[in-house]
Amino acid sequence: KAGVTQTPRYLIKTRGQQVTLSCSPISGHRSVSWYQQTPGQGLQFLFEYFSETQRNKGNFPGRFSGRQFSNSRSEMNVSTLELGDSALYLCASSLVFDYEQYFGPGTRLTVT
Amino acid sequence: AQTVTQSQPEMSVQEAETVTLSCTYDTSESDYYLFWYKQPPSRQMILVIRQEAYKQQNATENRFSVNFQKAAKSFSLKISDSQLGDAAMYFCAYRRETYSGAGSYQLTFGKGTKLSVIP
Repeated sequence: KAGVTQTPRYLIKTRGQQVTLSCSPISGHRSVSWYQQTPGQGLQFLFEYFSETQRNKGNFPGRFSGRQFSNSRSEMNVSTLELGDSALYLCASSLVFDYEQYFGPGTRLTVT
Repeated sequence: AQTVTQSQPEMSVQEAETVTLSCTYDTSESDYYLFWYKQPPSRQMILVIRQEAYKQQNATENRFSVNFQKAAKSFSLKISDSQLGDAAMYFCAYRRETYSGAGSYQLTFGKGTKLSVIP
């Protein structure tokens, strides 16, 4: 069974631009979570989607948004990029009633 | 809010020796899950071991075992017969068991411990 995939793997953007990251969960997984990883703040929860609905959201500004499609694939969008948004963005998927999350390889976003 | 603390930013171990990584957490919940994740230089997060809070028996996965002390809110990871491939960042994580609105199902991570394995 294929693992969680994330595209693109690397991205360089300029301040003020917006970016969209994509995550395809493991087949059959309906819950998708997003995390931001930075050297200073560590791993922080962004949001979680289940059946196309945002079920939980972390403490991030409204510039960070996401969505989930009917095939469980998820996208996250960051508008008006700031230098501090440079991070590794990790996506994780899980079964409906399973507590184990499986992570993708991440997207490395650099904002210049 | 739940918090997870890993007090050892870096540790090292000789190949074939045993090392223990520490983790403490704070929660008012009685039912929850605890995890240790490994993140090698490739950045892929890999689940090492998990523990359900309602289980008194400590989880074991091959060379990896935990010492779960619920009353003390402590969850340490022991790696036996350390191998070069064990070198990585190790993260302790907490997750609430049941869905109860905001904050449910998210993983709360510690800051991590960087483990080096010396040949």
